[in-house]
Amino acid sequence: DAGITQSPRHKVTETGTPVTLRCHQTENHRYMYWYRQDPGHGLRLIHYSYGVKDTDKGEVSDGYSVSRSKTEDFLLTLESATSSQTSVYFCAISVGTGTDRETQYFGPGTRLLVL
Amino acid sequence: DQQVKQNSPSLSVQEGRISILNCDYTNSMFDYFLWYKKYPAEGPTFLISISSIKDKNEDGRFTVFLNKSAKHLSLHIVPSQPGDSAVYFCAARGSGSARQLTFGSGTQLTVLP
Repeated sequence: DAGITQSPRHKVTETGTPVTLRCHQTENHRYMYWYRQDPGHGLRLIHYSYGVKDTDKGEVSDGYSVSRSKTEDFLLTLESATSSQTSVYFCAISVGTGTDRETQYFGPGTRLLVL
Repeated sequence: DQQVKQNSPSLSVQEGRISILNCDYTNSMFDYFLWYKKYPAEGPTFLISISSIKDKNEDGRFTVFLNKSAKHLSLHIVPSQPGDSAVYFCAARGSGSARQLTFGSGTQLTVLP
């Protein structure tokens, strides 16, 4: 258990509404990530953060924004939710240093349904 | 274009036998590879990893093999147990400082009792 929690765990929303998902870690890790998981695609990186207020885009960032005002919290916002954003969202942290020891650990996920 | 591919969406194996899960990649800049296991309604859990400077890493029943010339890695589970039934993802990390992982699409392993 890498001390990662995600909230909410389940969310149903309507097209066009903004949605914010929260990732919280308890161990002060520098790197945090947001992924989405869809059938046939594995996990795809949305955005990541390498420190407070330091964020960058991943592979599928369109329609998403992120913020990190504290080390422990990484927020993912769907600015105007669309049905194509129905997915399971996972937050991850990077633990360890050095090529042979660095690993990402994942939170339990948020299941989002956009109607 | 998928840089990490798992071409078998599913695999069934008898309990006690060996499970072999395969993964191919195209980017020669990947320097670190990981395998994750995922149960339904849970987050992926880290299983085992291997650096590009090695060709084998072993941890209990799990062994990962890396063939850099073929850009291929495999996960061997011996002996397979029913509790190993899950989706397995391989992932590869680029050499950039952001430590981003690129994932394959996953293989559903079913271990039959």
